[in-house]
Amino acid sequence: LAKTTQPISMDSYEGQEVNITCSHNNIATNDYITWYQQFPSQGPRFIIQGYKTKVTNEVASLFIPADRKSSTLSLPRVSLSDTAVYYCLVANDYKLSFGAGTTVTVRA
Amino acid sequence: GEEVAQTPKHLVRGEGQKAKLYCAPIKGHSYVFWYQQVLKNEFKFLISFQNENVFDETGMPKERFSAKCLPNSPCSLEIQATKLEDSAVYFCASSRVGQSNQPQHFGDGTRLSIL
Repeated sequence: LAKTTQPISMDSYEGQEVNITCSHNNIATNDYITWYQQFPSQGPRFIIQGYKTKVTNEVASLFIPADRKSSTLSLPRVSLSDTAVYYCLVANDYKLSFGAGTTVTVRA
Repeated sequence: GEEVAQTPKHLVRGEGQKAKLYCAPIKGHSYVFWYQQVLKNEFKFLISFQNENVFDETGMPKERFSAKCLPNSPCSLEIQATKLEDSAVYFCASSRVGQSNQPQHFGDGTRLSIL
């Protein structure tokens, strides 16, 4: 499994865009980049997944540069309910490995 | 159902007692995964099933842990002779297929407390 590094925490305000960058220098050719969100007392929830370039869905965007050694999750116009832990996973394996994640706190 | 359902939400057992956790995967999902979250934010893979067959059990402690997924029944994870170190949140997830590019859908977990 490729090792990932992401900030421990980030603070933001309602209505702002939040960008979380994950470093994964040892990403393998077959690895996908997947982001999950977890609220307290709940299980992780799939947000978005990509292999290269840019992926966008109704919740977020994922930017992946050509070398794939990093990726950035972009949350547009966050609200208080987006306060959660966000995990970056890089793997070609169904055995998911969650690191410490990034705790995003959105303030009014 | 449309969500992974885990029961119970909380389970308290004395050391040495048995604990049994249940998981109903999303209808139509063939794969079930169990994870253990001991420390905050750190997950450990335990076992996975393809329908009722064990797909990968490389994460399962051999001696006291067992799991089943029987037809028309919730999957279960059972811990015999529990120890204090078994205290954790146990998550179940399901997916339509077992490939890494398929998202896993998680239940809200069972918090097991061993006293």
